[in-house]
Amino acid sequence: AQSVSQHNHHVILSEAASLELGCNYSYGGTVNLFWYVQYPGQHLQLLLKYFSGDPLVKGIKGFEAEFIKSKFSFNLRKPSVQWSDTAEYFCAVNARTGANNLFFGTGTRLTVIP
Amino acid sequence: EAQVTQNPRYLITVTGKKLTVTCSQNMNHEYMSWYRQDPGLGLRQIYYSMNVEVTDKGDVPEGYKVSRKEKRNFPLILESPSPNQTSLYFCASSVTLNTEAFFGQGTRLTVV
Repeated sequence: AQSVSQHNHHVILSEAASLELGCNYSYGGTVNLFWYVQYPGQHLQLLLKYFSGDPLVKGIKGFEAEFIKSKFSFNLRKPSVQWSDTAEYFCAVNARTGANNLFFGTGTRLTVIP
Repeated sequence: EAQVTQNPRYLITVTGKKLTVTCSQNMNHEYMSWYRQDPGLGLRQIYYSMNVEVTDKGDVPEGYKVSRKEKRNFPLILESPSPNQTSLYFCASSVTLNTEAFFGQGTRLTVV
């Protein structure tokens, strides 16, 4: 069965610091990868996605993620965070074939201090 | 405006009293699903539907039912709610399983 691991449960950063959130998945086949963001009191919104092609994916609001197939990882990065990035971030994966439901990680709460 | 609409947004109910949370999407998406979100556990899929009259269990289906009689609607039914179903529920839809999922605003359910 597929699973998604986000090892950072809560990250606290000062504004302008760089961000990297880890995401690892377990599945041997071809996958689609997503990062979603949930701002306080709101629903999930897509930050970025990877289906194929360039493993470095750029999303909205200056976020990017790199797919490293050999490490089964899809880490999220941002060079300089803002207070408005305070939110919960979820990594998600689904398999291209077979039972391809969307599996979510447990989420990482990011707090950015002004 | 493309959206997924859930109702109600907030609900407090008593153990055993049947309830339905509605979900409707206006994007003609084939795939719809329900998730529950609990602290420390992330989002877990309850049920999903590939198309009209096609539904299947997700990771945590116990205590829930769904139906998909029309493409746009995917209600979540709790026949006999229990306190361990207190949670934040999200409905989502997508064109297919391999495309972006659009989420509703969420329904915060409390069962006392």
